[in-house]
Amino acid sequence: AQSVSQHNHHVILSEAASLELGCNYSYGGTVNLFWYVQYPGQHLQLLLKYFSGDPLVKGIKGFEAEFIKSKFSFNLRKPSVQWSDTAEYFCAVRGNQGGKLIFGQGTELSVKP
Amino acid sequence: NAGVMQNPRHLVRRRGQEARLRCSPMKGHSHVYWYRQLPEEGLKFMVYLQKENIIDESGMPKERFSAEFPKEGPSILRIQQVVRGDSAAYFCASSPGEVSSYNEQFFGPGTRLTVL
Repeated sequence: AQSVSQHNHHVILSEAASLELGCNYSYGGTVNLFWYVQYPGQHLQLLLKYFSGDPLVKGIKGFEAEFIKSKFSFNLRKPSVQWSDTAEYFCAVRGNQGGKLIFGQGTELSVKP
Repeated sequence: NAGVMQNPRHLVRRRGQEARLRCSPMKGHSHVYWYRQLPEEGLKFMVYLQKENIIDESGMPKERFSAEFPKEGPSILRIQQVVRGDSAAYFCASSPGEVSSYNEQFFGPGTRLTVL
């Protein structure tokens, strides 16, 4: 069965610190990979996605993620976080035939000013 | 272009009552997905529907839960005889009609169900 694992449940950083959130998945075939963000009181928004091609994907608000097929990983990074990045971050995977997303448990990021 | 709409945003029910959650997809979208987020957990897939068809209901509990997406009107997630364990946030997402691996899902704001 497909599954997604996010290593950190809660991350606390100071502004300007660098961020890396881990995400590993288990799925035997070709996958589509996503990172979603949920700001307090808001709905999920897509940060970035990987379908094929360049494994380094750039998203909105300065976020990027790298797909490493050999490690089944899709880690999210940002060089310098801001207080406004405080949110919950979800990694998700989908088989390439479309359909349901499988989500990780989520990582709550708190950025201190 | 309005996004995915869900109503109500908050719903309180007593044990044994019925809960009906509505989802209106984005304009032009004919695929709807329902997910449930239990406290301290990530989103779990429940059901995937196209107009008048259930495509994948592998995440739906076997009893008390049903979903529909009629030709006209919103998609409905129905929970009969609710129990405290049904308390969660229920999210709906929609995607365009063409089945393609390039389609992303757009999420609604969710309905927070509280069962007393």
